[in-house]
Amino acid sequence: AQTVTQSQPEMSVQEAETVTLSCTYDTSESNYYLFWYKQPPSRQMILVIRQEAYKQQNATENRFSVNFQKAAKSFSLKISDSQLGDTAMYFCAFMGGGSNYKLTFGKGTLLTVNP
Amino acid sequence: DVKVTQSSRYLVKRTGEKVFLECVQDMDHENMFWYRQDPGLGLRLIYFSYDVKMKEKGDIPEGYSVSREKKERFSLILESASTNQTSMYLCASTLGGVLSNQPQHFGDGTRLSIL
Repeated sequence: AQTVTQSQPEMSVQEAETVTLSCTYDTSESNYYLFWYKQPPSRQMILVIRQEAYKQQNATENRFSVNFQKAAKSFSLKISDSQLGDTAMYFCAFMGGGSNYKLTFGKGTLLTVNP
Repeated sequence: DVKVTQSSRYLVKRTGEKVFLECVQDMDHENMFWYRQDPGLGLRLIYFSYDVKMKEKGDIPEGYSVSREKKERFSLILESASTNQTSMYLCASTLGGVLSNQPQHFGDGTRLSIL
């Protein structure tokens, strides 16, 4: 069974600074997908960024980028120029290539952006 | 945009009651999921469905059942509610087929309290 570990339950950052959230996972599969989801306070969970394991290039979405280290089974999220609206719970998630689209989530990191 | 609608944001029930949580999606998605979210535990999969009348157990199915009579609707049933089922419940949906890297789209969640 796959496991996803987020070792930082809480983090804080000053507005406009850069922060990195860590995620490691364990799997024996070679083909899989990784996701970061964001859940703002009392609001809907939304996708931030995704990475296909067969792609060597790290995914980027505007201020959000990942550092995908396949050999180390590491998938960290970097948020540049942090904004107050980035305050949220962030979940790392794993989906195996043949898993019927099931996601395995980490326990989450609560990120607070301070003014 | 995909819309996943959960029938209630907040729900209070009593122990022993039969509880129905409803979820509807408007994008003709094949796959639908029910999770529960608890502080410090992240999201855990209860059940999922990859087609009408098809269902599979997730990681924590005990005490729950599901129903999918129509493609757009996926119901979670607590057969006899207990206090340890007090939680936030999230419904999600995604496309099926070969597009296995498609993200899951989430509803707003139902915060269920069992007294």
